[in-house]
Amino acid sequence: DAKTTQPPSMDCAEGRAANLPCNHSTISGNEYVYWYRQIHSQGPQYIIHGLKNNETNEMASLIITEDRKSSTLILPHATLRDTAVYYCIVRVSSNFGNEKLTFGTGTRLTIIP
Amino acid sequence: GAGVSQSPSNKVTEKGKDVELRCDPISGHTALYWYRQSLGQGLEFLIYFQGNSAPDKSGLPSDRFSAERTGGSVSTLTIQRTQQEDSAVYLCASSLYAGGVEQYFGPGTRLTVT
Repeated sequence: DAKTTQPPSMDCAEGRAANLPCNHSTISGNEYVYWYRQIHSQGPQYIIHGLKNNETNEMASLIITEDRKSSTLILPHATLRDTAVYYCIVRVSSNFGNEKLTFGTGTRLTIIP
Repeated sequence: GAGVSQSPSNKVTEKGKDVELRCDPISGHTALYWYRQSLGQGLEFLIYFQGNSAPDKSGLPSDRFSAERTGGSVSTLTIQRTQQEDSAVYLCASSLYAGGVEQYFGPGTRLTVT
């Protein structure tokens, strides 16, 4: 799986949009970009994933650059409960391929009241 | 429905003892994964099951670690002759199928080896 690079920490004011960047310059054509987060003392939680188109769900939006070498996770209206470590992961998604998730060190996002 | 459950939630054991950690995946999920997270570190993949077979054991750190899954459901991770470096949170996840989009994680078992 391709390696990802994320800033170690970020702060965001409550109610503002949190924009979390991720670089994955060696991503392959069949690798998806996944985002998970881990709130303190809990297991990781899936947020969103995408291949090349921008994606949006009830939790967040994912913007992937045209060359797919980087992406941004957007939490549109951050709340205190969004304080967590956010992991950007690139991975082949198939029934027969590499099934594990390879977690890096992630970005520790702190929402400031 | 119920999520992934793990037991015990906390386990303190003496160095050299064996421990068993249990994972109950979400009903109907065919794939099951074990990870561990040492203090202040990211998650480290250990092993995954598709049904009862384990196609990828590449993450098991030594032959003291083993895992099994029976009936395509419950899985047990066994650590023999525990060492202090085995202290970590052991996380289990399941997904509808191997390679499935979303892995659902349990709350973890915090293992402390004294």
